[in-house]
Amino acid sequence: NAGVTQTPKFQVLKTGQSMTLQCAQDMNHEYMSWYRQDPGMGLRLIHYSVGAGITDQGEVPNGYNVSRSTTEDFPLRLLSAAPSQTSVYFCASSRGLSFYGYTFGSGTRLTVV
Amino acid sequence: ILNVEQSPQSLHVQEGDSTNFTCSFPSSNFYALHWYRWETAKSPEALFVMTLNGDEKKKGRISATLNTKEGYSYLYIKGSQPEDSATYLCAFTDNYGQNFVFGPGTRLSVLP
Repeated sequence: NAGVTQTPKFQVLKTGQSMTLQCAQDMNHEYMSWYRQDPGMGLRLIHYSVGAGITDQGEVPNGYNVSRSTTEDFPLRLLSAAPSQTSVYFCASSRGLSFYGYTFGSGTRLTVV
Repeated sequence: ILNVEQSPQSLHVQEGDSTNFTCSFPSSNFYALHWYRWETAKSPEALFVMTLNGDEKKKGRISATLNTKEGYSYLYIKGSQPEDSATYLCAFTDNYGQNFVFGPGTRLSVLP
C-alpha cells in the first residue's frame, strides 16, 4: 500500500519557469490538499479538493493552480515560479477529514533561484 | 478565522525527563482534535484523534488529554528519549466538516 506519493522529492527552478508537482494516492480518499511549510510559518493550505472535479482555494493560493480529474491524482502547478515559492510542499489525503485527519506524502523540496 | 495555538513554541529537555505541552482551540462547534508527530525531513504522522470531552489516549510513552469545554488538549511524554525529538502539531476540526486548522507546533529537542 503506497499511501500518498509525491514526485519529485527535490527540484530547483529558475524564476519564471513553470512546473507541476505530482501527487497520487491509492487509498480511494475523496479529500486531498496541498500545504506548504516555511520556517516559522507552520503548514499553510494552498488548495484542496473534496472530490474529483471539485477544487477550492486555501489560505495561500496565489501563483498555484490545481485540478482533480480523478480521485487518485491531485497535481499542483506553479505557473511562473518566484523565489517566494521556495518551500517544502506536502500533499495530503483523507477518507473523512474531520475524524480521520490526513495521511501525508513525503514532501517536495522546491528551490526557486 | 479559527485560531489554534500551541505552547511552548519550543523546548529542550534532558533524556529521561517527562514533559508536556498545550494545544488551545475554539471551544464552540468542536468536532475533533488531532495530534501529529513531525520529525525533521519527514512528513507529519498521526498520533491521536480525540472527540469527547475528557478523552484520554495513550501510545507507548506518549499520552494526550482533551478538555472541549475550555478548549485545550495536553500532550504528555514520559521519560523522553532522543528519538522523541520532533515537532508536535495539533489540529482542530469543527462540526461544519470543512475546517481543519493546524496549530504552529511545539518543537521538542531531547538531549542525550
